[in-house]
Amino acid sequence: NAGVMQNPRHLVRRRGQEARLRCSPMKGHSHVYWYRQLPEEGLKFMVYLQKENIIDESGMPKERFSAEFPKEGPSILRIQQVVRGDSAAYFCASSPGQGLGNTEAFFGQGTRLTVV
Amino acid sequence: GNSVTQMEGPVTLSEEAFLTINCTYTATGYPSLFWYVQYPGEGLQLLLKATKADDKGSNKGFEATYRKETTSFHLEKGSVQVSDSAVYFCALSVGGGTSYGKLTFGQGTILTVHP
Repeated sequence: NAGVMQNPRHLVRRRGQEARLRCSPMKGHSHVYWYRQLPEEGLKFMVYLQKENIIDESGMPKERFSAEFPKEGPSILRIQQVVRGDSAAYFCASSPGQGLGNTEAFFGQGTRLTVV
Repeated sequence: GNSVTQMEGPVTLSEEAFLTINCTYTATGYPSLFWYVQYPGEGLQLLLKATKADDKGSNKGFEATYRKETTSFHLEKGSVQVSDSAVYFCALSVGGGTSYGKLTFGQGTILTVHP
């Protein structure tokens, strides 16, 4: 059973370009969470999605950032017009739906975005 | 709001030394508590968890006890190994169910173990 898959692992973008980060949850998981880890800091929650729905986006910057989790395919975190301050590691986690024993989120290896 | 405060690092120990990494929290509601470990170049892995007061989580020789009275969840290991070198994150979630994936993290503690 493959774990949470994120790609690309490393992404370099010039200021003003768009960055697209992909996350495929573990098989059977229908809930996805995105986190950002700035240098020398802990992970900060950004957004929580279920299939075709955004459940909680309280940690998302109001501008330039968006996320989706379509019925088919991976979840996408999109950053438009990137700036140097967007350079960070972006982690995705997934969990199954409601049910007994659902007490853990599984993390991917992250995408390290560098804006030059 | 919710917050997690971890002992600042880095922590450097010799092999077989005793490890303690302190973690305290504030939470609105009744949190579940977690320790995650991040090895170089990898994602986070759940190390252990506790979902109610006085529960002890344990895994791979690591332990942490949920202390509601002191709002703490300190990580301990009696004898560390070189392979334990990593970054350790304390975290909490509130709400249960699928909210287990919405975590508030501490800033992380870098542990380096020398032979």
